[in-house]
Amino acid sequence: RKEVEQDPGPFNVPEGATVAFNCTYSNSASQSFFWYRQDCRKEPKLLMSVYSSGNEDGRFTAQLNRASQYISLLIRDSKLSDSATYLCVVSRMDSSYKLIFGSGTRLLVRP
Amino acid sequence: DAMVIQNPRYQVTQFGKPVTLSCSQTLNHNVMYWYQQKSSQAPKLLFHYYDKDFNNEADTPDNFQSRRPNTSFCFLDIRSPGLGDAAMYLCATSSPMIRQNNEQFFGPGTRLTVL
Repeated sequence: RKEVEQDPGPFNVPEGATVAFNCTYSNSASQSFFWYRQDCRKEPKLLMSVYSSGNEDGRFTAQLNRASQYISLLIRDSKLSDSATYLCVVSRMDSSYKLIFGSGTRLLVRP
Repeated sequence: DAMVIQNPRYQVTQFGKPVTLSCSQTLNHNVMYWYQQKSSQAPKLLFHYYDKDFNNEADTPDNFQSRRPNTSFCFLDIRSPGLGDAAMYLCATSSPMIRQNNEQFFGPGTRLTVL
């Protein structure tokens, strides 16, 4: 079993749609959680950190369920520019400053 | 404004010919990482430096080596590249003691082609 699992997609949605991505992780001792965005052939960039209380940044909402070891990302009012791969990332058990990346969920927003 | 810089952006080498990729940072972060990322896969950590301390991942082949001569620079050496080493190589930095959330900052990557 992979340490971080994501549905690879692609999710193909029209502009303006709401789309949700889910992610599960196997290490219950993980302390840090993130969503990174990666455009085609570019480097990953931090989209948002994920906190236990849930957090929102504009059209993006992230939630963490520690009991179920589950992380989600909700994108409202999708834009064409949201098309990218979204990587679920958690810290490692042996070292909190080392991260484990999921393989990513690809999002395609069509006009 | 570039914070993590990687050179070259594209590298073509021949099978078995040693190659060195470089990374520099202006963030003064004490941790530097090297990742390998193949198409449609997650970035895979090869090794990292915490200050001067080198930490190799258990499954990183001996073919991959690294040097960190100072805080700002880190190099990835591939001693005898094979066709399977063709990938994007990403350098990242972090400052765990300052940034409590352990965010990592990535360079633009070097895309390696092995002929």
